[in-house]
Amino acid sequence: AQSVSQHNHHVILSEAASLELGCNYSYGGTVNLFWYVQYPGQHLQLLLKYFSGDPLVKGIKGFEAEFIKSKFSFNLRKPSVQWSDTAEYFCAVRSSNTGKLIFGQGTTLQVKP
Amino acid sequence: NAGVTQTPKFQVLKTGQSMTLQCAQDMNHEYMSWYRQDPGMGLRLIHYSVGAGITDQGEVPNGYNVSRSTTEDFPLRLLSAAPSQTSVYFCASSYSSGTGRQETQYFGPGTRLLVL
Repeated sequence: AQSVSQHNHHVILSEAASLELGCNYSYGGTVNLFWYVQYPGQHLQLLLKYFSGDPLVKGIKGFEAEFIKSKFSFNLRKPSVQWSDTAEYFCAVRSSNTGKLIFGQGTTLQVKP
Repeated sequence: NAGVTQTPKFQVLKTGQSMTLQCAQDMNHEYMSWYRQDPGMGLRLIHYSVGAGITDQGEVPNGYNVSRSTTEDFPLRLLSAAPSQTSVYFCASSYSSGTGRQETQYFGPGTRLLVL
C-alpha cells in the first residue's frame, strides 16, 4: 500500500536558519512527488513537484527538494528561512498507475523573527 | 476559470443528520478526490474518481458516499453524521490519473464541518 511519512512534526527555527524537512514514501511503482504548503487560514498551495528527470527540483519561494530513489525520499530544503515561511508543509506521493495522491501527516514550521 | 469550488464553507450538524458537500470544477479535469484534514494527521484520502461514472475508495471511506454523474461535479455525502467526522474537507482535481501525464492537483478552499 502507498504511504508517506514525514519525520518532523513540529520544527522551530530562527530567521536565516537553514531548513530540511524529511519525507519518505512507501510504494513499489512509479511515483510523482509533491510538496504543498498551507499558510495559516489558507488552503493548500503547490511548492514544487517531481515527475521525472533531474532529481533536484526547484520550487517557489526559494524551496527545493531532492528525490533519492534508493532511499524512497523526497526531502524539502531551503537555505535561509523567513518569518513568512511559517506554515504547515505536506509531502505527497501519487501513484502514476492509479492517480491516488497520498499525503504525509504534515510538518508545522514556526520561524521566529 | 473558477477552478475548484466547494460549498458550503462552514456547516454545523447534529449527530445523525445527513448532508452533502458540494465540489465542482470547470477545468474539464478527469480526476477528482475528497480529503479530510485533521490536526496531526495530514490530509487523508476519502474517495476519488478517475472519470464520470467511476469512483473508488481512499484511505478513510467509511461513513461517506460519493458519485460522479458528470465530469464537473463530485459531491460527498454524509448519510448519518458523527462527531468523528468533524474536520476540514478538501476537494481536489487534476487532468489525468494515467501514466505519463504530468498533472498537478488543484485544491478547493475547503469546507469546515462541525458535528455536535
